[in-house]
This record gives sequence, structure tokens and C-alpha cells, in this order.
Amino acid sequence: NAGVTQTPKFQVLKTGQSMTLQCAQDMNHNSMYWYRQDPGMGLRLIYYSASEGTTDKGEVPNGYNVSRLNKREFSLRLESAAPSQTSVYFCASGQNSRGKQPQHFGDGTRLSIL
Amino acid sequence: EDQVTQSPEALRLQEGESSSLNCSYTVSGLRGLFWYRQDPGKGPEFLFTLYSAGEEKEKERLKATLTKKESFLHITAPKPEDSATYLCAVPGNTDKLIFGTGTRLQVFP
Repeated sequence: NAGVTQTPKFQVLKTGQSMTLQCAQDMNHNSMYWYRQDPGMGLRLIYYSASEGTTDKGEVPNGYNVSRLNKREFSLRLESAAPSQTSVYFCASGQNSRGKQPQHFGDGTRLSIL
Repeated sequence: EDQVTQSPEALRLQEGESSSLNCSYTVSGLRGLFWYRQDPGKGPEFLFTLYSAGEEKEKERLKATLTKKESFLHITAPKPEDSATYLCAVPGNTDKLIFGTGTRLQVFP
């Protein structure tokens, strides 16, 4: 059982380049999330999707866009990468978005913007 | 403002030396508290959910407890393989999880 799978695992970009981070889950969860993790700041929510067909902004959405492609897949796009977006990005999924059920995480994408 | 604070930031233990990690929170109407373990280069791995004050959960050498203002993760006779960063999280007023910055635990043989 793979759980939450993220690709790629590592990426280096130049300022201004664009890229899409991919995430897929096989747990039949309704909700999916994108976080970034920076030293000393904990996990911060970028965007989430409470259910297929819906997306909403989290705490730090600027500079990002998302697409909930289907129930399994939720992608995060950086249109014009900036050095401030250098971070580790985690995708997570959960049974619902009401907060009472745990979220399950992938192993992250380590992104460096030069 | 919803907030989660974990202490200490880092903890070094000798193998077999029991200790506790703290997670304090300020949210109105607690609807659950989650503990995660995160190994270097990996995503957070779910450990426990606690829903009400007085509740306890155990897994191997770990025991999580909950009061109305904080949670403790007790580690009994730790082993080097327990070394990791331990995160706690609570749902905030918007139902989204608020994470603490974690406690980095190192257990030496």
C-alpha cells in the first residue's frame, strides 16, 4: 500500500522557471493538502481540496496554484519560481476536511530555487 | 489566535533514560490533537489521535496523554531508533491543522 506518493523527490529551478509538483493517494480519501516546511516555522498550509472539484487557499497561497485532477491526484504549480519558495513541500490526504481525522503525508519534494 | 507550542526544541537522552515532550495549545473548543513522528528526509508519520482530556494512547515505548491545555508524549526506556522529530497538531477554528515546530529527539546508545 503506497499511501501518498509525491514526485519528484528533488528539484532545482532557476528564478522565474515554472514547475508542477505531483501528488497521488490510494487511500480513497476525500481531502488533500499541500504544505511547505521551513526550518523553525513548522508545516504551513498552502492550498487544500476538501473534496474532488473544490480547492481553497490556506495560510500561504501566494505564488502557487493547484489542481484537483480527480479524487486521487492533487498537483501544485509554481508559475514563476522565486528564491523564497525554496522549501520542502509535503502533500497529505485525509478522510475529511473537518479536522477530526488524521492526515497522512507523502515523503516530500525538496525544491531549491536559485 | 490559535497556536501550538512544543517544548523542548531539542532533547538528548541516553538509551533507557525516560522523558516527556510537551505540546501546549490555545484553541477554542479542542476537537482533537494529533502526534506525528518525522524522520530526516521523510514525511510526518501519524502516531496518535487524542480527543478528550484524560485520554491516553500507547504504542510500544510511547504514551500520549491529554489535558485541557496540553499534551505530553512520554517516552519510556527509549532506544536509538526512537530518534526523530516529534510533531503535534490541532484543528484550528477554520478546521485546518495547526502544527507545532516539533521536538528533535536524539537517543544515544
